[in-house]
Amino acid sequence: NAGVTQTPKFQVLKTGQSMTLQCAQDMNHNSMYWYRQDPGMGLRLIYYSASEGTTDKGEVPNGYNVSRLNKREFSLRLESAAPSQTSVYFCASSEARAGGPGKSNEQFFGPGTRLTVL
Amino acid sequence: QKEVEQDPGPLSVPEGAIVSLNCTYSNSAFQYFMWYRQYSRKGPELLMYTYSSGNKEDGRFTAQVDKSSKYISLFIRDSQPSDSATYLCAIPLGNNRLAFGKGNQVVVIP
Repeated sequence: NAGVTQTPKFQVLKTGQSMTLQCAQDMNHNSMYWYRQDPGMGLRLIYYSASEGTTDKGEVPNGYNVSRLNKREFSLRLESAAPSQTSVYFCASSEARAGGPGKSNEQFFGPGTRLTVL
Repeated sequence: QKEVEQDPGPLSVPEGAIVSLNCTYSNSAFQYFMWYRQYSRKGPELLMYTYSSGNKEDGRFTAQVDKSSKYISLFIRDSQPSDSATYLCAIPLGNNRLAFGKGNQVVVIP
């Protein structure tokens, strides 16, 4: 099992350009997440998808859109990149069974995408 | 008030020392507590997971929960250079989400 995979690993954009970050998981998990991680700020949730067909905003959704393409794949799109979006982006997935506390809440993370916006 | 708070200061210790990391949380109803470890340029991975109060040991690692003061701790005994990483506390919320602390970068000096 590959777990959670993300592409690309690195990307440099110019202000105003658009791009899509891809994420896929092979663990048959229900929930998927997009985070950004910045020094001193920790992990901040951008969007998440509790189940196939649903998406919800997280803590910092402005400037981003997401698509839950199917149960395996969850993409993050930057329509018009800004320097403030320079960050490391992590995708995660979780079994997150409804009413199933504890270990089912474990989130499995991908290796991250390092994005620089000039 | 955030669900979980972790002072994001870095920590440098000599090899063999005990590392002590702490988080506080806001809601006394929380029952599950997690610690994630993140190596440089990698994604976080679950290190330990505890339920309710008390201690849980896993090798050199001990996770402790004090529900009366809403305080969770992670101790690393006999720290090794391979323990150098960022450690994040996390608490499951009721909506399939986790609340993460900001993380502590730990450096164990040989």
